[in-house]
Amino acid sequence: TQLLEQSPQFLSIQEGENLTVYCNSSSVFSSLQWYRQEPGEGPVLLVTVVTGGEVKKLKRLTFQFGDARKDSSLHITAAQPGDTGLYLCAGEENNDMRFGAGTRLTVKP
Amino acid sequence: NAGVTQTPKFQVLKTGQSMTLQCAQDMNHEYMSWYRQDPGMGLRLIHYSVGAGITDQGEVPNGYNVSRSTTEDFPLRLLSAAPSQTSVYFCASSPSDDEAFFGQGTRLTVV
Repeated sequence: TQLLEQSPQFLSIQEGENLTVYCNSSSVFSSLQWYRQEPGEGPVLLVTVVTGGEVKKLKRLTFQFGDARKDSSLHITAAQPGDTGLYLCAGEENNDMRFGAGTRLTVKP
Repeated sequence: NAGVTQTPKFQVLKTGQSMTLQCAQDMNHEYMSWYRQDPGMGLRLIHYSVGAGITDQGEVPNGYNVSRSTTEDFPLRLLSAAPSQTSVYFCASSPSDDEAFFGQGTRLTVV
C-alpha cells in the first residue's frame, strides 16, 4: 500500500474547467511537496507546504495542507492544455521522501 | 546550469548483466537519492545519501548498490540485472532532505 494515496488516478477535462486532486495519508508530515512531471522528464517542484491549514497560490494553482498535516489538495482554476501532466505529492518520513502514485491530468483544447 | 545530470538516457541489458547508472550534480547539495518509477506505483526510493561517504537504504534497495565518494557523484549499480528491474530511474539532489531536484531519468529495459 502507498504511504500517500492520490486521487483520482486519471482525470481528463476540457480547457477552462476547474479541478481538484487529492493527496491523503494516515501519517503526519512535517512538510509536503507537490511536483509536476511531463513525459520524458523528471518531476519539477511546484510548491512546499509546511504549516497545517496553509494555503499557497501559484497563478491558477491553489495548494492546501490539511489542518492535521496528513493530507493536501491541489485546485486548478480554468485549466489549460499546458497543465497536462502527472501531478505527484511527496512527504518526508524517517529522513527520506515518499511519493504518491500521482494523478495523470489531461486537459483537452 | 546543468543541475542534475543522468547518463545514459536509455539502456537495454540482458538478464544477469551488470551496469552503473551515473548521476552528477553541480549544486553542492549534500542529499542525493535514487528512485525508480513504475506505472501505477509512483516513485519508490532505492537508496539515498546525506553526504559524501554516507549511504542508506530506501524502500526498494535489493539488487542495487550505491556509493558516495564525492559530493557531486552518486552512481547506482545493478549487480545482476533482472527483468523486474525494467523501469525508469531518477536521481535527485536536495539542499536539505526535501525539495528534490530531479534529473531527466534513465529508461532501463532488461530482457
